[in-house]
Amino acid sequence: VQLVESGGGLVKPGGSLRVSCAGSGFTFSGYTMNWVRQAPGKGLEWVSSISTSSTNIHYADSVKGRFTISRDNAKNSLFLQMNSLGDEDTAVYYCARGTWGGGGLNYWGQGTLVTVSS
Amino acid sequence: QSVLTQPPSVSAAPGQKVTISCSGSSSNIGDNYVFWYQQLPGTAPKLLIYDTDRRPSGTPDRFSGSKSGTSATLGITGLQTGDEADYYCGTWDSSLSAGVFGGGTKLTVL
Repeated sequence: VQLVESGGGLVKPGGSLRVSCAGSGFTFSGYTMNWVRQAPGKGLEWVSSISTSSTNIHYADSVKGRFTISRDNAKNSLFLQMNSLGDEDTAVYYCARGTWGGGGLNYWGQGTLVTVSS
Repeated sequence: QSVLTQPPSVSAAPGQKVTISCSGSSSNIGDNYVFWYQQLPGTAPKLLIYDTDRRPSGTPDRFSGSKSGTSATLGITGLQTGDEADYYCGTWDSSLSAGVFGGGTKLTVL
């Protein structure tokens, strides 16, 4: 199982960025996927989750209305579109496979750093 | 302010035992599975305990999880210097319809 995030970088406040996660070594379409972030020196914050067929999507209140999670099962890929970015969104963004309903987030990528700064 | 409350730090000597608490409410810990994650310095988090008290293959049996009411506990026996890490509890909050983590506990093995 491998999860590889990409697309992080420096973005100005109010800007947008799309991060991606490529999954391999497992049947990507069979698993709920999540984004979890970690601000520098801070703890983990769950951001969003998406079910196997994208029918069930949830967001943390801190990103609702600004971030959109999506997936392309044909390309074994997970995405997070981030709009109206603020300083508080600066973090390492991890994608993680699994569900809170049983099993947990059992595989994590190495993360991609998003820095929001002018 | 995290939805789940953990002590910021715990410490103990090698070979000793330590417990890390995680306090929540009826809508999260009281109603759902609890998970524990270990984050070694400079690395991504790793699932340590799932479904409250189950160990993935690869987690030594020195690690254990339990829950009582709206609180959960991670226990570590036979402490090793390699156990020094940040530990996070997590669960689903049925009222928020969101995943929630504790603020994390830094374990120091003296």
